[in-house]
Amino acid sequence: DFQMTQSPSTLSASVGDRVTITCRASQSIGTWLAWYQQKPGKAPNLLIYKASSLESGVPSRFSGSGSGTEFTLTISSLQPDDFASYYCQHYNGYSPATFGQGTKLEIK
Amino acid sequence: EVQLAESGGGLVQPGRSLRLSCAASGFTFSNYAMHWVRQTPGKGLEWVSGINWNSGNMGYADSVKGRFTISRDNAKNSLYLQMNSLRAEDTALYYCAKDAVAATGTFYFDSWGQGILVTVSS
Repeated sequence: DFQMTQSPSTLSASVGDRVTITCRASQSIGTWLAWYQQKPGKAPNLLIYKASSLESGVPSRFSGSGSGTEFTLTISSLQPDDFASYYCQHYNGYSPATFGQGTKLEIK
Repeated sequence: EVQLAESGGGLVQPGRSLRLSCAASGFTFSNYAMHWVRQTPGKGLEWVSGINWNSGNMGYADSVKGRFTISRDNAKNSLYLQMNSLRAEDTALYYCAKDAVAATGTFYFDSWGQGILVTVSS
């Protein structure tokens, strides 16, 4: 079965830190990858699509990279509002979308 | 501003049915594919079903195929999910989600509702 695997599951960091979250696909997916942020009690919010395209309105401290099977979400300088859970998602427009299991970003 | 508002959730016994609705506003509903995505603490986020702009194409996760039916009414700016033969493992928070790209659909989502809880238990 096709899978998306995120690491780490939990990440502890401080305001101002640079953090990176990794997402690996079990087979090559080109750049068909999105990243979402989810805060407790809220719906997910789209951050990045097509692996590296920043969604309108998302702060530029968020960036995405990668292709094939390995992808990263980087936050260049953590802000208090960034402590949340993050999910990657593979999509291709004609088959079930698959999410990673999530990464919880906690305050150190 | 895009708004999506789910309704119709609640507690239901195993084997029974439930119909979720999603009222959309703030965009041209008939131009976009729409989806249902569910979330549980144990399994995380799971795409459940999607429907293209004119109801010509629908897709389902294997876990719900044959039990759930997605539909839409573009005149009413509404999306629906008919859930039959419900199981305990269908217990989740169900989100209505708007596809990010008009017409073709991409299966990534730029707007989500607040979610509606479905609990399947005797």
